[in-house]
Amino acid sequence: AQKITQTQPGMFVQEKEAVTLDCTYDTSDQSYGLFWYKQPSSGEMIFLIYQGSYDEQNATEGRYSLNFQKARKSANLVISASQLGDSAMYFCAMRTPDAGGTSYGKLTFGQGTILTVHP
Amino acid sequence: DVKVTQSSRYLVKRTGEKVFLECVQDMDHENMFWYRQDPGLGLRLIYFSYDVKMKEKGDIPEGYSVSREKKERFSLILESASTNQTSMYLCASSFGSLNQPQHFGDGTRLSIL
Repeated sequence: AQKITQTQPGMFVQEKEAVTLDCTYDTSDQSYGLFWYKQPSSGEMIFLIYQGSYDEQNATEGRYSLNFQKARKSANLVISASQLGDSAMYFCAMRTPDAGGTSYGKLTFGQGTILTVHP
Repeated sequence: DVKVTQSSRYLVKRTGEKVFLECVQDMDHENMFWYRQDPGLGLRLIYFSYDVKMKEKGDIPEGYSVSREKKERFSLILESASTNQTSMYLCASSFGSLNQPQHFGDGTRLSIL
């Protein structure tokens, strides 16, 4: 069964500093994708960054980067130069092949990490 | 921009009522999903659909059903609402390839009294 674990219920960071949010995953599939989403207090889920299991380079999107360590099955999100607007819940999620192995649909989510950015 | 629209942001219903939550997407996505979100549990998949008139059970389908009569619309039905179905409900849609993210609606905060 697929599983995503986020061990940090809450994290605090000073504005302009970098922060790492942890994510470990468990799957027996060779082909999978890892996603990070941000959920502000208003409730909408915002897609941040994607990493494929066969990607050799770590993904980056602006201030977001994904520290992908395949052997350790970890996919940590790094936010550089934190801003007050980064305060939100962050979810790590994984997509694996569906039964039959011919399509990719479902995501498995972790429990989330609440990030608070202090001025 | 992808738009996923959920019919209500807040909804209050009574125990035993039949409740309909509607979701519409405008990007011709073949996949659509319904999740519920509860504190400390993350998002849990209720039902999903890969095509019109197709549906698959997710991890927690009990007490729910779905309908997908048109590609752009995916409805979640609480057959007989119970207080333990008070939750935030999120609809999402996506294309079916590995690297395509799911796009979410704003959520419906449902209270069953």
